[in-house]
Amino acid sequence: AQSVTQLGSHVSVSEGALVLLRCNYSSSVPPYLFWYVQYPNQGLQLLLKYTTGATLVKGINGFEAEFKKSETSFHLTKPSAHMSDAAEYFCAVSDRNNDMRFGAGTRLTVKP
Amino acid sequence: DVKVTQSSRYLVKRTGEKVFLECVQDMDHENMFWYRQDPGLGLRLIYFSYDVKMKEKGDIPEGYSVSREKKERFSLILESASTNQTSMYLCASRGGWETQYFGPGTRLLVL
Repeated sequence: AQSVTQLGSHVSVSEGALVLLRCNYSSSVPPYLFWYVQYPNQGLQLLLKYTTGATLVKGINGFEAEFKKSETSFHLTKPSAHMSDAAEYFCAVSDRNNDMRFGAGTRLTVKP
Repeated sequence: DVKVTQSSRYLVKRTGEKVFLECVQDMDHENMFWYRQDPGLGLRLIYFSYDVKMKEKGDIPEGYSVSREKKERFSLILESASTNQTSMYLCASRGGWETQYFGPGTRLLVL
């Protein structure tokens, strides 16, 4: 069975600083990996995903993530944080069947 | 654009009431899911369905049931609501094995 660990339930950065949200996964088969974002009182929306091919994946709003098989990681980054990036972020792993597992989430705060 | 809608954004119910949460998707997806979201616990899968009239238990099915009579609609039922079912409920749909699309969520308060 697969699982996801997000390191850090809360991350705080200053506006303009680098955003780094960490995600490590466990999977017995080649995984599909996802990052979702949730703004207050809304559902989750897809930021980016890795299925096959290029290991550096670019998503919406300037975010990107790199699949590193050797480290079983899929960390999310953004070079320069914006106030509008404040939200909760979820990493997820899928084993290509009907099983998608989510991490516990990381709440990102952006300070002016 | 894929659209997943949920019947209510906010609900207040009393202990012991029967509660229905409705979810509708417009993309002809086979798979539909119900999660609950609680602080510090992330999303936990309650039930999912991969076809009409089919259902599978997720990680926390106790106290819940589901119904899928039509492909586009997946209902979550709380047979007798309890205070520990106060939570945010999220519905999702997925075609094949890739991206899940989420509804806006229903915040349920059981008094």
